[in-house]
Amino acid sequence: SAVISQKPSRDICQRGTSLTIQCQVDSQVTMMFWYRQQPGQSLTLIATANQGSEATYESGFVIDKFPISRPNLTFSTLTVSNMSPEDSSIYLCSVLDGAKNIQYFGAGTRLSVL
Amino acid sequence: ILNVEQSPQSLHVQEGDSTNFTCSFPSSNFYALHWYRWETAKSPEALFVMTLNGDEKKKGRISATLNTKEGYSYLYIKGSQPEDSATYLCALGKGGGNKLVFGAGTILRVKS
Repeated sequence: SAVISQKPSRDICQRGTSLTIQCQVDSQVTMMFWYRQQPGQSLTLIATANQGSEATYESGFVIDKFPISRPNLTFSTLTVSNMSPEDSSIYLCSVLDGAKNIQYFGAGTRLSVL
Repeated sequence: ILNVEQSPQSLHVQEGDSTNFTCSFPSSNFYALHWYRWETAKSPEALFVMTLNGDEKKKGRISATLNTKEGYSYLYIKGSQPEDSATYLCALGKGGGNKLVFGAGTILRVKS
């Protein structure tokens, strides 16, 4: 299974600022995903990030708010821009093992916005 | 909107008890059903991926069944242990199966 390192593990940020979350995988993967879990809610897919192409965003999520980079097959970043308290969530990245049809997740970034 | 529902929301059991949870989902356009275990401050751990109606899978004391025609899956834990305490998530694969739609999870607490 893939080993995923996610940074930072937690942060407390001020309203109006931006935070970039990093996701590093120990092997080359084609498909990476970014999810969010708001308090009391389900894990929700934000976007799919494939290397060499623009990220594909799910309904309700836009690039201006959640810009994503995917510079190579082992790394991706998600930026939460112009944060408000509603952005307080756990953010997780995952990668797809296509052969097993399993997604492996990072440990998440716990973000609190004051 | 694709709804994946899990019940119960939370469960408190004694060590040694056996327990089960339910995941309900729309039966049309089924691709795959995933179960994960998520402990606080850790990565969600993949337990099972199930694709065929009638599928049964087992991993140690944990097993799962799948009924795609009626749209539900059961997760069973036999002889619960304190280390089983976690949130158990089910997720439906969509968009060719690569995108996951998660239920809200079942929080299990096992008391010793």
